[in-house]
Amino acid sequence: SYELTQPLSVSVALGQTARIPCGGNSIGSKNVHWYQHKPGQAPLLVIYRDNHRPSGIPERFSGSNSGNTATLTISRAQAGDEADYYCQVRDSSTKLFGGGTRLTVL
Amino acid sequence: QVQLQESGPGLVKPSQTLSLTCTVSGGSISSGSYYWSWIRQPAGKGLEWIGRIYASGSTNYNPSLKSRVTISADTSKNQFSLNLSSVTAADTAVYYCAREDDSGIYQGGIDPWGQGTLVTVSS
Repeated sequence: SYELTQPLSVSVALGQTARIPCGGNSIGSKNVHWYQHKPGQAPLLVIYRDNHRPSGIPERFSGSNSGNTATLTISRAQAGDEADYYCQVRDSSTKLFGGGTRLTVL
Repeated sequence: QVQLQESGPGLVKPSQTLSLTCTVSGGSISSGSYYWSWIRQPAGKGLEWIGRIYASGSTNYNPSLKSRVTISADTSKNQFSLNLSSVTAADTAVYYCAREDDSGIYQGGIDPWGQGTLVTVSS
């Protein structure tokens, strides 16, 4: 079965750029979606179809996807960006999430 | 805009059936454009997709849960439901309902989500 691999944690200094990878076999051939999940809140779609932002999501959030790695990039990181981030793909008729990455803003 | 709200018992005994309902407002689950899904998050763990139902009534389930899961819909109430049988402590989690957009702009993305409801399996 298909698997998505994310690092458990990523740290970034305030105002700097955070990059969160999501690994999968030939993931570049799939549509990758990213979610921000804060404690006690519903997950929020921040990137869809690799590199598109839903309405209301800041331009600081961007995505890329090629080969075996998709990446969520958060520019000018803010304290409010601290959260868990999950990548997700469609696998046949089901959905699959990565294990999630805790982003810490220092 | 579309909003989703989960409801159901917060405590279920082991070996019994967990039953949750998701009420959708601001849009119709029978519109035919979206799938309606259940996703869960055990404490300290990541998101796990459980399954979904389409307007036609067709369903898809996570293979790891398929033998215990049933998702159904009541279009007259604009609700869809989750039944998970033979529960154990491992099924303790926050359960979310959500909308999937497979054929539209999101091409597989999930949005929006309900706020989630905690279900604890304990005697």
